[in-house]
Amino acid sequence: EVQLVESGGGLVQPGGSLRLSCAASGFTFSSYTMNWVRQAPGKGLEWVSFISSGSSTIYHADSVKGRFTISRDNAKNSLYLQMNSLRDEDTAVYYCARVVRPYYFDYWGQGTLVTVSS
Amino acid sequence: QTVVTQEPSFSVSPGGTVTLTCGLSSGSVSTSYYPSWYQQTPGQAPRTLIYNTNSRSSGVPDRFSGSILGNKAALTITGAQADDECDYYCVLYMGSGIWVFGGGTKLTVL
Repeated sequence: EVQLVESGGGLVQPGGSLRLSCAASGFTFSSYTMNWVRQAPGKGLEWVSFISSGSSTIYHADSVKGRFTISRDNAKNSLYLQMNSLRDEDTAVYYCARVVRPYYFDYWGQGTLVTVSS
Repeated sequence: QTVVTQEPSFSVSPGGTVTLTCGLSSGSVSTSYYPSWYQQTPGQAPRTLIYNTNSRSSGVPDRFSGSILGNKAALTITGAQADDECDYYCVLYMGSGIWVFGGGTKLTVL
């Protein structure tokens, strides 16, 4: 059974940093592209970051470019999101999601809540 | 900046049929955007319903179907049930590892 379990969320002050993790199991993690998607309270879904299976290709949404960095450790079956210079508007539930062709999210974690507030 | 548009809300009677749409602020949605649809109930992670325009994800009942209608992607729900009442999101693949979600449609069944 495919499982994605996020962790690392919490309360952080504006300008602070946080590192999210996503532990994957039930599939060959190293073979799949992974993404982060977030959802602000009461708002819609927003794609955040993409990383290819071997980490050679990485993309970030303009809203987080230069502040967030996606990475992965295939030996540990883990996906990460390093978030720096956090802003109030980064407050959201962050989901990790597996992507398969033809280009859709087939499995989602349950999410981890990040709250940016002073 | 690409904006993906969805109806903010929609209402359907139990047993009725409803079609939700997914458009682009400029241009037409085609199969080349690989539209997919997700269902989300409050406090839960999204659930994949439809991918690649009209393919149903595993376990999704055939009451849910996807298509291209005119210049938009569409999600049609036939025989609406009470537990279909939740939020629906479409997302379009822009290429180069970038996706854009629509704002979501809140479906009411009453």
